[in-house]
Amino acid sequence: GAVVSQHPSRVICKSGTSVKIECRSLDFQATTMFWYRQFPKQSLMLMATSNEGSKATYEQGVEKDKFLINHASLTLSTLTVTSAHPEDSSFYICSASGTGAHNEKLFFGSGTQLSVL
Amino acid sequence: LAKTTQPISMDSYEGQEVNITCSHNNIATNDYITWYQQFPSQGPRFIIQGYKTKVTNEVASLFIPADRKSSTLSLPRVSLSDTAVYYCLVAPNSGGYQKVTFGTGTKLQVIP
Repeated sequence: GAVVSQHPSRVICKSGTSVKIECRSLDFQATTMFWYRQFPKQSLMLMATSNEGSKATYEQGVEKDKFLINHASLTLSTLTVTSAHPEDSSFYICSASGTGAHNEKLFFGSGTQLSVL
Repeated sequence: LAKTTQPISMDSYEGQEVNITCSHNNIATNDYITWYQQFPSQGPRFIIQGYKTKVTNEVASLFIPADRKSSTLSLPRVSLSDTAVYYCLVAPNSGGYQKVTFGTGTKLQVIP
């Protein structure tokens, strides 16, 4: 089946630094990618939707200047958490929706646990 | 977007059949119903998808009544490894998903 690779799986950083998370669709073209964050024992919260070659659409309350999303190709989207603070510590998950035979399902990455010290 | 309602949690003994129901009263004509499983610190994993009636695969069955306002995920003979959170998603899918939001999910605890 289709695979979405998310990297890194875990990152620890100092407050004030920026962290980049990559999401790759390995065997299909992902026209749309979604980014979620998830706090312990809570559901996934949609942060933004990105379409290849266009600006991401952010959900209400999500700061676009803090969470930079780039979807420059049909197989790669990146989420950069800029000037990270401890309250940004969370589990970040990407998902991809493809074309053709892969547009019927959402495929999820394995998630990135971000810890900001 | 159709809002979904699921029980927050369920307990089941090993070997039992588990049925998790999801309500989606304002489901639209072009919405599909998809169920995902999530283990701690992992991304959700696709289980099954359907539009109407019954769908069965190697791990689960999905029952959807004629009015499509609810759906039931059926897991036959659960084992301890089925302990996870199960999410019901309802979203339109024409040429790929446009936006998907998650409900609360159902935390299934399988007891030995």
